[in-house]
Amino acid sequence: DTGVSQNPRHKITKRGQNVTFRCDPISEHNRLYWYRQTLGQGPEFLTYFQNEAQLEKSRLLSDRFSAERPKGSFSTLEIQRTEQGDSAMYLCASSSLPTGPGTSGISPWAQYFGPGTRLLVL
Amino acid sequence: QQQVKQSPQSLIVQKGGISIINCAYENTAFDYFPWYQQFPGKGPALLIAIRPDVSEKKEGRFTISFNKSAKQFSLHIMDSQPGDSATYFCAATRDSGGSNYKLTFGKGTLLTVNP
Repeated sequence: DTGVSQNPRHKITKRGQNVTFRCDPISEHNRLYWYRQTLGQGPEFLTYFQNEAQLEKSRLLSDRFSAERPKGSFSTLEIQRTEQGDSAMYLCASSSLPTGPGTSGISPWAQYFGPGTRLLVL
Repeated sequence: QQQVKQSPQSLIVQKGGISIINCAYENTAFDYFPWYQQFPGKGPALLIAIRPDVSEKKEGRFTISFNKSAKQFSLHIMDSQPGDSATYFCAATRDSGGSNYKLTFGKGTLLTVNP
């Protein structure tokens, strides 16, 4: 399977604990994104990387959140001192920087999502 | 401030019918509008996308209609099938020159297609 993979798929933790999620993007994709999706809502942008550089962070990403992408490959998202409000689906997406114009109206920088990690904070 | 408004919140259609989901955006800098399909427990899957330079884009049973002056776009699913039952999200971003990084999503439409 050459799609975006995320681990773990589910995580249950107690309030105050730290959790870390991993995302493996599609091979050779330069850009990697993190989104958060709460029940009944669309995904909300958290942050993104181009190669190993973190270029943008949403105000939703409080100081308790940190994301890394060492060597421009996989990425980790860590949440420290989890709160019940952190319960959500955390989605990772990746995209490439191709040279072509794309096909069928799809952007060459189209974002492809992984299956997500569902976090429940008790 | 919700930059992409999506309606309806839920939709029930009979098999073979037409499903229509509408979205409206506010940011005139948006120039790329993808639709994603999400099944329970899965991540969103890219379905179809359109740019403002065309008024309609069709792929199989899925069609996007785009009205630039009204800042509205819609997804039409022809001959809807029970397998189409899922949550559909419209999204928007500024894509020019590779600047695409932040997708702004609507709140989603839960589509149920009855057999």
